Amino acid sequence: QKEVEQDPGPLSVPEGAIVSLNCTYSNSAFQYFMWYRQYSRKGPELLMYTYSSGNKEDGRFTAQVDKSSKYISLFIRDSQPSDSATYLCATKTSYDKVIFGPGTSLSVIP
Amino acid sequence: DAMVIQNPRYQVTQFGKPVTLSCSQTLNHNVMYWYQQKSSQAPKLLFHYYDKDFNNEADTPDNFQSRRPNTSFCFLDIRSPGLGDAAMYLCATSRGAGAPQETQYFGPGTRLLVL
Repeated sequence: QKEVEQDPGPLSVPEGAIVSLNCTYSNSAFQYFMWYRQYSRKGPELLMYTYSSGNKEDGRFTAQVDKSSKYISLFIRDSQPSDSATYLCATKTSYDKVIFGPGTSLSVIP
Repeated sequence: DAMVIQNPRYQVTQFGKPVTLSCSQTLNHNVMYWYQQKSSQAPKLLFHYYDKDFNNEADTPDNFQSRRPNTSFCFLDIRSPGLGDAAMYLCATSRGAGAPQETQYFGPGTRLLVL
């Protein structure tokens, strides 16, 4: 079993839709959870960072972690064409390397 | 304004011909990482430097080497590229290694093609 799993998509939504992106992870020792956005032919950039369970909101983006079910979500409200990218979830223990998921490709259609 | 710079952006090499990829940073970060990312796959950490200390991942092939001559620069050397080494190579930096709140800043990547 891979440590972090994501549905690769592609996911295609109309502009303005609410997008839900999800990951599962296997190691209960993971405590820190991140979402990276990667545009085509670019390196990943950090979008959201959360610790332990709960929600974190930043503008149109909300990250949600449920440690009991080892489930990570990213919600995008009022999606825009500029949100079209691959979204990588990532996680880590306190002092260890970051483990990335394979990413979900998102297209927001005008 | 660029913080992590990778050169070249695209590299074509021949099977078995050594190739070097370059990364530089203007952030003065202590840690520099090299990742390999194949299509639709997660970035895979190859190794990282904490200052001058080199840390190799257990499953990184011997074919991959790295050099960090100073704080700003880090190189990835592929001694004998095979067709399976065609991928995007990402360089990243962070202030510290492993601290929970440390953000990794990625460069734009170098796409390597092996003929």
